[in-house]
Amino acid sequence: IVLTQSPATLSLSPGERATLSCRSSQIIDSHLAWYQQKPGQAPRLLIYDASTRATGIPARFSGSGSGTDFTLTISSLEPEDIAVYYCQQRSNWPPPYSFGQGTKLEIK
Amino acid sequence: EVQLVESGGGLVQPGGSLRLCCAASGFTFSDYWMHWVRQSPGRGPVWVSRINSDATDTWYADSVKGRFTISRDNAKNTVCLQMRSLRAADTAVYYCARELPRGVFYGMDVWGQGTTVTVSS
Repeated sequence: IVLTQSPATLSLSPGERATLSCRSSQIIDSHLAWYQQKPGQAPRLLIYDASTRATGIPARFSGSGSGTDFTLTISSLEPEDIAVYYCQQRSNWPPPYSFGQGTKLEIK
Repeated sequence: EVQLVESGGGLVQPGGSLRLCCAASGFTFSDYWMHWVRQSPGRGPVWVSRINSDATDTWYADSVKGRFTISRDNAKNTVCLQMRSLRAADTAVYYCARELPRGVFYGMDVWGQGTTVTVSS
């Protein structure tokens, strides 16, 4: 299963709303997670099961979607949200996991 | 504190072998599936392998199948990745991560800091 993320780069100002897209080549129900990765760090889980925030994740992060189209929304950007964001799926077909290629979020 | 700590990375020649291990602490290790995920410089993460809770089931990415072997020791709270016939394309930071095995996809909620593998002559 191929996950395609768009846009590749997103440049926004603090306080603006960010909308990141992830499209799956096959139906994956809600078996999708979103991660944030900052330079030199491991990925950090933000959202699991497509729409549930992980422990400790601020409420400005939200996920939606099911089937093949998914969205990560950051309602009001903070400077610390500068990072690359990845989606990841789990399926019953081998190989059972894959990541998208990422969206780089820049703050103007 | 919930923690995963990888070790075993280093420089190895093409065709060589390396064994990575990941020590878990702060949680019930045997409740979780464990993964290895790698990331080459400037690229996104790539899933490598998964082992289930009692080590009876393993999965591999096509790119490593037949060359890498994942294993775990629930008594020692460790998961390892034996890598053989290494290629330059295997050069990456290797992370271990955990997943709670349920019908819901809980994602990989805890990751190690990574260990670097460099395959070069």
